[in-house]
Amino acid sequence: SQQGEEDPQALSIQEGENATMNCSYKTSINNLQWYRQNSGRGLVHLILIRSNEREKHSGRLRVTLDTSKKSSSLLITASRAADTASYFCATDAGGTSYGKLTFGQGTILTVHP
Amino acid sequence: GAGVSQSPSNKVTEKGKDVELRCDPISGHTALYWYRQSLGQGLEFLIYFQGNSAPDKSGLPSDRFSAERTGGSVSTLTIQRTQQEDSAVYLCASSFSQGLAGHQFFGPGTRLTVL
Repeated sequence: SQQGEEDPQALSIQEGENATMNCSYKTSINNLQWYRQNSGRGLVHLILIRSNEREKHSGRLRVTLDTSKKSSSLLITASRAADTASYFCATDAGGTSYGKLTFGQGTILTVHP
Repeated sequence: GAGVSQSPSNKVTEKGKDVELRCDPISGHTALYWYRQSLGQGLEFLIYFQGNSAPDKSGLPSDRFSAERTGGSVSTLTIQRTQQEDSAVYLCASSFSQGLAGHQFFGPGTRLTVL
């Protein structure tokens, strides 16, 4: 079963614009990760944020985490056509479930040149 | 190789046949995971292996599914008596250690089609 929801389900923007995707989850977590998937095949890890962190940056990516609201957001700044992909959040509940990722449904991002 | 590899990349089989899917994790990674991605269910955890510990099979959907990991490296996911609802992309991932679990490195997946 899925941990939570991602919104929007699909996002279409122009190159140079920023893209924001949101993820909500249901249970307490150890960390939350964002992955990218091209063409329905392998996932590529983008960024990991731990439960005691509130914000993290990596290049053009900015992730926030609000554990009180059980939500996270991924911001991609100055988007490029090559950013077109599906983006998934995944939660790691820790404890006996450590390492078992529970994925959201994903956001399909299309960046038009 | 530098990354996680999976074989075959595509597999078409007839309902009722058994299939074996293979995963070669990154050398040195002690944790190995199997996930399934389908249109209806999204990305689902199936099973993971950590070193020599007993695998966590809590995500396997039925007793037709089994997996093994030989020598702490290569893993095989076996689906017996395949059904049409087994059609999906099966993804394998590995990481350094469950205890230090950070992000997972995913293979390209095996697309299974059951006719």
